[in-house]
Amino acid sequence: GQNIDQPTEMTATEGAIVQINCTYQTSGFNGLFWYQQHAGEAPTFLSYNVLDGLEEKGRFSSFLSRSKGYSYLLLKELQMKDSASYLCAVYDSNYQLIWGAGTKLIIKP
Amino acid sequence: GAVVSQHPSRVICKSGTSVKIECRSLDFQATTMFWYRQFPKQSLMLMATSNEGSKATYEQGVEKDKFLINHASLTLSTLTVTSAHPEDSSFYICSARDTQVVADGYTFGSGTRLTVV
Repeated sequence: GQNIDQPTEMTATEGAIVQINCTYQTSGFNGLFWYQQHAGEAPTFLSYNVLDGLEEKGRFSSFLSRSKGYSYLLLKELQMKDSASYLCAVYDSNYQLIWGAGTKLIIKP
Repeated sequence: GAVVSQHPSRVICKSGTSVKIECRSLDFQATTMFWYRQFPKQSLMLMATSNEGSKATYEQGVEKDKFLINHASLTLSTLTVTSAHPEDSSFYICSARDTQVVADGYTFGSGTRLTVV
């Protein structure tokens, strides 16, 4: 079956750095996405990785290792507004998007 | 970038009535749109894939007679929750992908919070 695992909840301090991990087992792979979702709102796109390595975009970076079926989202200089759920999703061989359950990130002052 | 408009954003209806939710791709054509449901503190659950000009593909366990999907044009898909019951109360989100730009992933509508009383 297809499976995406990520921690249910994480807590971090304002101004610090946090890494949210995601491991996946899917039928084929055509890219991995990270989305941010604030409570009561729809998800918004953060990043897309299809090749191994680190993609940096401002305070957010995303890393992918296809051989390990592993990705992480790195958030730097945390701000209170970063409190949200972070969803990992993988395109399988048919370009169907398989979703993880999301990681709720709590930022404390 | 790609924009998807969804409305209404919130709706309260009486048990037994039907509710229609619209999803529009504003600046691109979407031959395929997706309908999700999300219960509190849970991840997105794909309900169905809406295909322009043909029947929708429903995920296992989703009643196609209860959740009617119509994708009549390249920019509009509708989801109608028929004979709604309180257990249908949820957050419904549509999404579409601009097939010209894979790296943009799926663009989501703003979601519809349905409350059935």
